[in-house]
Amino acid sequence: EIVMTQSPATLSVSPGERATLSCRASQSVSSNLAWYQQKPGQAPRLLIYGASTRATGIPARFSGSGSGTEFTLTISSLQSEDFAVYYCQQYNNWPQYTFGQGTKLEIK
Amino acid sequence: EVQLVESGGGLVQPGGSLRLSCAASGFTFSSYWMSWVRQAPGKGLEWVANIKQDGSEKYYVDSVKGRFTISRDNAKNSLYLQMNSLRAEDTAVYYCAREGTVVTPTGFDYWGQGTLVTVSS
Repeated sequence: EIVMTQSPATLSVSPGERATLSCRASQSVSSNLAWYQQKPGQAPRLLIYGASTRATGIPARFSGSGSGTEFTLTISSLQSEDFAVYYCQQYNNWPQYTFGQGTKLEIK
Repeated sequence: EVQLVESGGGLVQPGGSLRLSCAASGFTFSSYWMSWVRQAPGKGLEWVANIKQDGSEKYYVDSVKGRFTISRDNAKNSLYLQMNSLRAEDTAVYYCAREGTVVTPTGFDYWGQGTLVTVSS
């Protein structure tokens, strides 16, 4: 099983500032990495796939980078609606998908 | 508009059974692999099972093998999860999710709103 580790567990950032979230895989997942946003009481929403491709309708302030075992999600200028929990997920080891434990992005 | 609507959740005793359903619309259901993903209260996401377009291949996370069965009815645009021998640790919100294609693998590009399963005496 590929273990996905996200850091930090909680990130406190002020609106308008940049947020950088990290995700590490226990072995290479190539670029088969997705990021999701989840708000309380809602289903997850796909933000990024292929490590760096924004999903349909996702604002340009969201960007993803990395390959292999190290990945980053960057939100360039935080809006109020961006405060949520973010999950990374590998789909390289299909069909045994695995998720990271999540990073909670909170208002500083 | 792609829509996935789950139903069938509820309170069940340990050792009991429950069948979840997911009604799909807004896309050609028979063209996609489909998955169930769950989330225990206050916890992260866990993939549970998936099924090929024609139902000929099915895969499960180890913790549910032999207890859960995924199935689909393409004529009804519906996905199912039969859950038997339920345990307290199966308590979670269960989401139906559409997988990306072989040409464009994306992870899960659409999700339902989820249905809560509570296993408790």
